[in-house]
Amino acid sequence: KAGVTQTPRYLIKTRGQQVTLSCSPISGHRSVSWYQQTPGQGLQFLFEYFSETQRNKGNFPGRFSGRQFSNSRSEMNVSTLELGDSALYLCASSLKTTAGENTGELFFGEGSRLTVL
Amino acid sequence: AQKVTQAQTEISVVEKEDVTLDCVYETRDTTYYLFWYKQPPSGELVFLIRRNSFDEQNEISGRYSWNFQKSTSSFNFTITASQVVDSAVYFCAVRSNTGKLIFGQGTTLQVKP
Repeated sequence: KAGVTQTPRYLIKTRGQQVTLSCSPISGHRSVSWYQQTPGQGLQFLFEYFSETQRNKGNFPGRFSGRQFSNSRSEMNVSTLELGDSALYLCASSLKTTAGENTGELFFGEGSRLTVL
Repeated sequence: AQKVTQAQTEISVVEKEDVTLDCVYETRDTTYYLFWYKQPPSGELVFLIRRNSFDEQNEISGRYSWNFQKSTSSFNFTITASQVVDSAVYFCAVRSNTGKLIFGQGTTLQVKP
């Protein structure tokens, strides 16, 4: 069974640009969450999608957005990049079967490492 | 607000030693879930265990064991007879009914041969 796949694995951008990261969840998983990992702030929740709808959102500015497609694949976009957006962006999927409480474990991908110059 | 504290930033042990990673959490939810994840150098977070707030039984899985004590809000993780392959960053996390995981800052474990 294939795991969570994230692309690209590494990318370099300059300030002011935008970036789109992609995540393919484990087959059958309908919930996708995104996390940002930085040395200073650690792992922080960005947002969660279920059935193409954002169910939960962390404390990030509006420059961070995402979406989920009908096949459960998800993308996140960061616009007007800042130096502080340099981070490892981790996507996770889970076998959540309803739009309510999600208590299952999350399965993470290897992440997309973004460097902003 | 929820919070997870992993007071040990880095731990270094010699192979075959036992090591315990501490985790203290804060939450106002009556129902919550606790997790441990391992992050090897490759970057992905590997799920180790999930425990719900109503299940205080300790658990053992091979060389890994977990001690959940609700009275002290702790969920400690012990590796018995550590191996070099155990070297990684370990994260403790709490999840509430809202769904998002709140992670601790992580403990870097180095196991030397």
